[in-house]
Amino acid sequence: AQSVAQPEDQVNVAEGNPLTVKCTYSVSGNPYLFWYVQYPNRGLQFLLKYITGDNLVKGSYGFEAEFNKSQTSFHLKKPSALVSDSALYFCAVRDKMDSSYKLIFGSGTRLLVRP
Amino acid sequence: EAGVTQFPSHSVIEKGQTVTLRCDPISGHDNLYWYRRVMGKEIKFLLHFVKESKQDESGMPNNRFLAERTGGTYSTLKVQPAELEDSGVYFCASSQFPRSNTEAFFGQGTRLTVV
Repeated sequence: AQSVAQPEDQVNVAEGNPLTVKCTYSVSGNPYLFWYVQYPNRGLQFLLKYITGDNLVKGSYGFEAEFNKSQTSFHLKKPSALVSDSALYFCAVRDKMDSSYKLIFGSGTRLLVRP
Repeated sequence: EAGVTQFPSHSVIEKGQTVTLRCDPISGHDNLYWYRRVMGKEIKFLLHFVKESKQDESGMPNNRFLAERTGGTYSTLKVQPAELEDSGVYFCASSQFPRSNTEAFFGQGTRLTVV
């Protein structure tokens, strides 16, 4: 069965410091991986995705994520956090071999960036 | 271009009542998805429309939930009769291409509270 784990309910970081939001996945085939962000009172916004090719993927707002097949991880990173990055972050996966196009989401990680 | 729009943004109903949620996808997007997040847990897939046809409804929890997409434009999700465990945030998403490597665009969600 497909699944996504986001082991941290909350991540706290000081503004200007690097941040990492962790994600590991389990699929029977090869994955397509996504990160979405939800700002307060807003919908889910697409940040970035890994489809194939370079394991380091760059996305919106200076975020990037690294696909690691051996560790089945897709951690979200940013070199220098901003207070405005405070939001709820969701990792999601699709199995390439799955005929359904549904996304399997993690439970979300709340990022708090303090000034 | 307008994004995915959901109505209402909030709904509070009593147990046993009926509620209908509406989703207007991005114009031209044939693929429409419903998801639900309950009690701060992971976002779970409910169903997938391609135009007016249900492509995958494996995530629908029970027969109290009815989704329609007449004419292949907007979609409604009716809960009848509502139970306490139906409380949560219901998200709608749409995508243009039926390929699993394309990202879906999400609405702001409808927060449903059943009391």
